[in-house]
Amino acid sequence: GNSVTQMEGPVTLSEEAFLTINCTYTATGYPSLFWYVQYPGEGLQLLLKATKADDKGSNKGFEATYRKETTSFHLEKGSVQVSDSAVYFCALSSGETGNQFYFGTGTSLTVIP
Amino acid sequence: DTAVSQTPKYLVTQMGNDKSIKCEQNLGHDTMYWYKQDSKKFLKIMFSYNNKELIINETVPNRFSPKSPDKAHLNLHINSLELGDSAVYFCASSRQLYGYTFGSGTRLTVV
Repeated sequence: GNSVTQMEGPVTLSEEAFLTINCTYTATGYPSLFWYVQYPGEGLQLLLKATKADDKGSNKGFEATYRKETTSFHLEKGSVQVSDSAVYFCALSSGETGNQFYFGTGTSLTVIP
Repeated sequence: DTAVSQTPKYLVTQMGNDKSIKCEQNLGHDTMYWYKQDSKKFLKIMFSYNNKELIINETVPNRFSPKSPDKAHLNLHINSLELGDSAVYFCASSRQLYGYTFGSGTRLTVV
């Protein structure tokens, strides 16, 4: 079956620290992988995506590389800001299951000045 | 020009009442969803409609009933509300493999 496992939070970092949020997946077929971000009081927003192996998604200084050999899609940012404080969700979509997405449990990030 | 809009944003109601949450998308997407997010931020899919047809109906109480009058709308009606229904409910729409667009959520509080 399809599933996503991401590191549990909460994660607290100082401003300008390096961020990694781990995400691994199991999937049938060839999934697309996504990271979503949820700022306080808001809905989820697409942060970045990768649709095939070795693709790198990037946006707002965040990056994630689709690693088929390790079934991973870890989110990284070199220097976090207070404004990055949010909950981050890893997700996959498998073409074999149509449009259904499978979300991880979310990782809460707090960046302190 | 909001892509996925849901109303109301906040809903406070008493146990036993019936309430509806409305959702509309103007993206031309074929598939729409309802998700429930609990206090620990865990997202659980409830329903999915594709072109007005129900394609996913996870294990939710039958007090929850989705209604899709057309492919741009997916409303959620909840009968006999219970305390445990308190959560944030998100509507979303998608094109296959292109990602979801979420609404801003409806915070339901049952008292």
